[in-house]
Amino acid sequence: DVKVTQSSRYLVKRTGEKVFLECVQDMDHENMFWYRQDPGLGLRLIYFSYDVKMKEKGDIPEGYSVSREKKERFSLILESASTNQTSMYLCASSLSHGFYEQYFGPGTRLTVT
Amino acid sequence: DQQVKQNSPSLSVQEGRISILNCDYTNSMFDYFLWYKKYPAEGPTFLISISSIKDKNEDGRFTVFLNKSAKHLSLHIVPSQPGDSAVYFCASKRTGNQFYFGTGTSLTVIP
Repeated sequence: DVKVTQSSRYLVKRTGEKVFLECVQDMDHENMFWYRQDPGLGLRLIYFSYDVKMKEKGDIPEGYSVSREKKERFSLILESASTNQTSMYLCASSLSHGFYEQYFGPGTRLTVT
Repeated sequence: DQQVKQNSPSLSVQEGRISILNCDYTNSMFDYFLWYKKYPAEGPTFLISISSIKDKNEDGRFTVFLNKSAKHLSLHIVPSQPGDSAVYFCASKRTGNQFYFGTGTSLTVIP
């Protein structure tokens, strides 16, 4: 069974703080993704990575950065948190080469006050 | 701009009946489609998928239909069970690994 874990289920941060969200997968997947889920907007892709040290912008990368130093770990960084970044953040991973199913972590509910 | 749309935010169905969840997409270059199911406080889990070269894929109680000319995708659940109550997301991709998700439909199966 693929397991994707996220460092926190709930997080409360203040405006302007630097925030790190960590994601780890244990199935040697090449691809990793960060999404945010908001009511009425579904899941929107922030960044994804198809290899160590490689990253691609998704639809809404502004205000975020990512880091992938090891294959199993993909970090999302909010450089200076703002209230409009209050959201549910979901990490996912998938194999490459024709396997498109993504395996999701349980999510981190981030509140920025 | 929402490239994948689920126009019904919610759906209620009696246990044992058919549930039909719908999804429309705008990009004719999409070549692969998936359905995910999400319970509260959990991440989405993969349910079923279909390639653009097919028009139907079946897995047990779940069948996905693809109508490329209408750019329409549907998920049929027969028979519906109370444990199917969840939010269902459709997702589509074109070349590469980026998927576009719909806004979700909350299905309630009434015992």
